[in-house]
Parts: sequence; C-alpha cells; structure tokens
Amino acid sequence: DQQVKQNSPSLSVQEGRISILNCDYTNSMFDYFLWYKKYPAEGPTFLISISSIKDKNEDGRFTVFLNKSAKHLSLHIVPSQPGDSAVYFCAASLTGTASKLTFGTGTRLQVTL
Amino acid sequence: EPEVTQTPSHQVTQMGQEVILRCVPISNHLYFYWYRQILGQKVEFLVSFYNNEISEKSEIFDDQFSVERPDGSNFTLKIRSTKLEDSAMYFCASSPGPGYTGELFFGEGSRLTVL
Repeated sequence: DQQVKQNSPSLSVQEGRISILNCDYTNSMFDYFLWYKKYPAEGPTFLISISSIKDKNEDGRFTVFLNKSAKHLSLHIVPSQPGDSAVYFCAASLTGTASKLTFGTGTRLQVTL
Repeated sequence: EPEVTQTPSHQVTQMGQEVILRCVPISNHLYFYWYRQILGQKVEFLVSFYNNEISEKSEIFDDQFSVERPDGSNFTLKIRSTKLEDSAMYFCASSPGPGYTGELFFGEGSRLTVL
C-alpha cells in the first residue's frame, strides 16, 4: 500500500543551494498535505502544509508546491543550511485536516558545507 | 512551548510480555493518536482517539492493542502479548480538536525492542 511515495531515499545539497524534495501520491481523494522533518531518535516536527485548494504555500525558507493533476508535491528549501540535514517525510490526509496521516517513506537530506 | 511527552524512551521486553507505553498530550488538545515506525520504514498510523473512544484504527491495530485515557492527562497504548514484529518506535501525537486544520504534534517516541 504505497499511496504516498518518496522515490528519492537520499539527497545531498551544498549549503546555500536549493533543496528540492519530491513526493507523489496515488489517491486523488487526499486533500491536505504536510511535510515533516525528523532527526534521529526524535519525533516528526511539522514544517509546512498545503490544502488541495492551493498550489503553493510559503513559509520563510520553505515552499511547498502542489500539482494535483500530476498528483505530485514538492518541498523547496532555499537557501539550504547544515541544520536542515534530516529525514523529510511528506504526509497526506483525506479529511482536510491533519488527522489520520499517510506518510511517505522519507528522504534523507544532507546539506554539506 | 507545549509539547507531547512520552515514556519510557526505550523499553526492552521479552516476546509474549505485556507492554504499556505512556503519553501526555498537549493539555488543551482533544484528539490523540498513536503511530509507529519500524526501523527503516515509513511512519504508520495505528489509532486515533477522541471523546474517550477510538475514532479510527488501522489494520495493524488488532486485538493485541488497546488504548486508554485513564485520567485527564495520560494516554496509553497497551500491547497485550508482544511479538518480535512489534519492535518499532511508537509515536504519540495530539491535535486541538474538530475543525483544526493545522498539524499533528508528535512526541519524541518510545522505542520498543522485543526479544
């Protein structure tokens, strides 16, 4: 049951450059999407979300883009910082709210100096 | 800043033993959740709890699992007879309530190792 997929298990980006993390989903009924960051031995920390009625949401260095026709979302981090090194999970919900979330498998981002 | 707290941070148990994982959600939150992450895999939904009853559960949440809110602050996950495949990181989460459109707030997790 791979309703939410993150096809890149890892990504390495230089400090100051843009990081682009991708996520695809198969269930067209998903209507709310979130990105979480996770450090080892810690719980997921919320980054940014987007409702299906929007195609872009921006918060500081983080921007999420949603392409409903392609069932694709992406997280852009500009500029990338070493502290951004973590595993990033996209998650989706059917209810318009962050209740029951379906997570992707995660992408490990490493930001190098 | 309010946070979700979980205990224990790590528990090692023998197969067949009962385990209780404890969570203290954020105090004014009304929805509570358990998720788990088996090592190297994705975070998976187990159960949601609202108004003192289960509102939704996944296929993983079988008869061996139960949840309870024994008092006004704690939210527990019990595994009656642990199996090797129950070894995972278990995350508690909470959210304010119906109509809230923000995020789930996760605790730091309880690592369960079943030997």
